[in-house]
Amino acid sequence: GENVEQHPSTLSVQEGDSAVIKCTYSDSASNYFPWYKQELGKGPQLIIDIRSNVGEKKDQRIAVTLNKTAKHFSLHITETQPEDSAVYFCAASIGSNDYKLSFGAGTTVTVRA
Amino acid sequence: GAGVSQSPSNKVTEKGKDVELRCDPISGHTALYWYRQSLGQGLEFLIYFQGNSAPDKSGLPSDRFSAERTGGSVSTLTIQRTQQEDSAVYLCASSLWGSSGNTIYFGEGSWLTVV
Repeated sequence: GENVEQHPSTLSVQEGDSAVIKCTYSDSASNYFPWYKQELGKGPQLIIDIRSNVGEKKDQRIAVTLNKTAKHFSLHITETQPEDSAVYFCAASIGSNDYKLSFGAGTTVTVRA
Repeated sequence: GAGVSQSPSNKVTEKGKDVELRCDPISGHTALYWYRQSLGQGLEFLIYFQGNSAPDKSGLPSDRFSAERTGGSVSTLTIQRTQQEDSAVYLCASSLWGSSGNTIYFGEGSWLTVV
C-alpha cells in the first residue's frame, strides 16, 4: 500500500521567514496530493492540493511542488505569520482513488513573533 | 452554512463496551468518509460511502468496526467490544462528490478514550 513519510516533524521559524515541509510517497499510481492544516481542537482543513499532471501550484503565500519521478512533494509557506502556527499534514491518494488518502505523520509548525 | 457535525465530541468508555459515533455531513454532499487519528499520528482511512454504491470498507481495522449511512446522509460508526488501542480521534468528512477536484471537509472529530 501507499506509505507517506513527512519531514520534519517539528519546525520553528521566525515570523516573516519561509517554512518548507517535505513528503515522499511510495505508490507510483498516486495522482492526487493534498495538504491539510489542523489547528488545535479542529478538524484538518485543506489548504492546497496538486495533481500528478502539474509540477507546481501557488496560492498567495502557499505553494506546492511535485516531483513524480522522485516521488516527493513539498509545501512552501512564505512570509510566515503567527496564524500559520498549526500541524500540517501531507497526503497522497492510494492508487488513483482520490477519496482514499494516505497521510503523513504531520509537521508541527511554530511561527515565533 | 453548517459544516460536518460529529457527536459526541468526547466519549470515555470502559473496555469491552460498544460505542456509536455519529456524523452529519454537509447537506448535499454525496461522499462521506471516516478517518482515525491516533495521538501524534497522521490520519488513517477507515471507510468511504458514495451515494448508493457499496461502501469501501477496506480501511476498517477489524470486524469490531462497522459503519452505516442511512438515507444517504447521516452516518454512524460503531465499535464493538472496545479495546484500549481504539482510543483515538475519529474524524468524519464529506465532499460533494468522491472524485477529483472535490474538497473534502472534515468535522472536528469525536475523541474516544477507552479505559
